Amino acid sequence: GAGVSQTPSNKVTEKGKYVELRCDPISGHTALYWYRQSLGQGPEFLIYFQGTGAADDSGLPNDRFFAVRPEGSVSTLKIQRTERGDSAVYLCASSFFSGGAGTDTQYFGPGTRLTVL
Amino acid sequence: LAKTTQPISMDSYEGQEVNITCSHNNIATNDYITWYQQFPSQGPRFIIQGYKTKVTNEVASLFIPADRKSSTLSLPRVSLSDTAVYYCLVVRGSTLGRLYFGRGTQLTVWP
Repeated sequence: GAGVSQTPSNKVTEKGKYVELRCDPISGHTALYWYRQSLGQGPEFLIYFQGTGAADDSGLPNDRFFAVRPEGSVSTLKIQRTERGDSAVYLCASSFFSGGAGTDTQYFGPGTRLTVL
Repeated sequence: LAKTTQPISMDSYEGQEVNITCSHNNIATNDYITWYQQFPSQGPRFIIQGYKTKVTNEVASLFIPADRKSSTLSLPRVSLSDTAVYYCLVVRGSTLGRLYFGRGTQLTVWP
């Protein structure tokens, strides 16, 4: 079936502009995660949703970053007043975990490469 | 969650077996060891997970000793297409939550 999709695949913007990054999770997955990855580093957690609500947003670096998931499916990561330091690959992942033993396996999308000039 | 330590890089040749060891000294009772693989310009991909002893799937094997303070990812007969970054993670069981990635191990397979 279809995996996690992210749009756009690449986004180039100017310092100070507003950007939106979209994530379409795997159908039926209730949890959705955002990470960002800088060159040579592992992905760094930003926020995750369980359903429509943000269950943990402690990874958002500051109040310029905001994410929504209004209907419990598609999510949008919004970045205001972009800075050059925001340049990175933004990854989305989704999972379905019904509880019990084991863990939730997160399935990642291909990412959006954001470049702030 | 327990911090993981793994080599920054490894080199191998096609057809060889590759073993990547990860240490996680402070692993808790309810934690699992999980490995992800990441190719350039792609998101990480889950490859294997285990709790103890040995787990094998079509991609790799995972060996976990009784004390669970370390684990070894084994890739049999690697090919050029196995060149990637491999991440070892400790994941808490029975709950949702973030994944903690380190820098991973860059495996380069040479012809």
